[in-house]
Amino acid sequence: DAGVTQSPTHLIKTRGQQVTLRCSPKSGHDTVSWYQQALGQGPQFIFQYYEEEERQRGNFPDRFSGHQFPNYSSELNVNALLLGDSALYLCASSQGLLNTEAFFGQGTRLTVV
Amino acid sequence: KNEVEQSPQNLTAQEGEFITINCSYSVGISALHWLQQHPGGGIVSLFMLSSGKKKHGRLIATINIQEKHSSLHITASHPRDSAVYICAVRYRGFGNEKLTFGTGTRLTIIP
Repeated sequence: DAGVTQSPTHLIKTRGQQVTLRCSPKSGHDTVSWYQQALGQGPQFIFQYYEEEERQRGNFPDRFSGHQFPNYSSELNVNALLLGDSALYLCASSQGLLNTEAFFGQGTRLTVV
Repeated sequence: KNEVEQSPQNLTAQEGEFITINCSYSVGISALHWLQQHPGGGIVSLFMLSSGKKKHGRLIATINIQEKHSSLHITASHPRDSAVYICAVRYRGFGNEKLTFGTGTRLTIIP
């Protein structure tokens, strides 16, 4: 079992550009959540996908959007990148929406210059 | 003010010492997670608790629902335990599936 895999691991983008981050959930998991972790901070919830729909969203602007595919993998898209978007982006997968354990990927470190 | 508070923020100890990291939260939860994050970023789930106590190897996690408090203990600490330990909670109620995280405790074990 490969666990949760994220790609790419590192990424450098220029202000104003757009970026797409990818996540494959752990085998058997159908729910994917995305988190942003700024340096020295705890992760902040961006949104969660289940059954290909966004189920819950944190306090992030519309520049942050996502998608879940029929195979449960997910993408996070960020448009019009700002320097403040530089962070570690973490994907977590779980089974269903109720109280189940979340498993995390290694994250994608995004640097906006 | 963060809804999930951890203490201490930083902890340095000698190898072999017993370690305790604390987490408190403000409202009712359905579950609490203890997570470990090494430099480079990846997060590993250590425990998920909704009551009582769990043990895995040298790690022990306890939760007191009435006190809204949880502790993570490490016995016979080792330099490889050096990492950031994060507490995260899932609040009760429909639409509260997300995790809310503390800011973490940076643990350094000196050989």
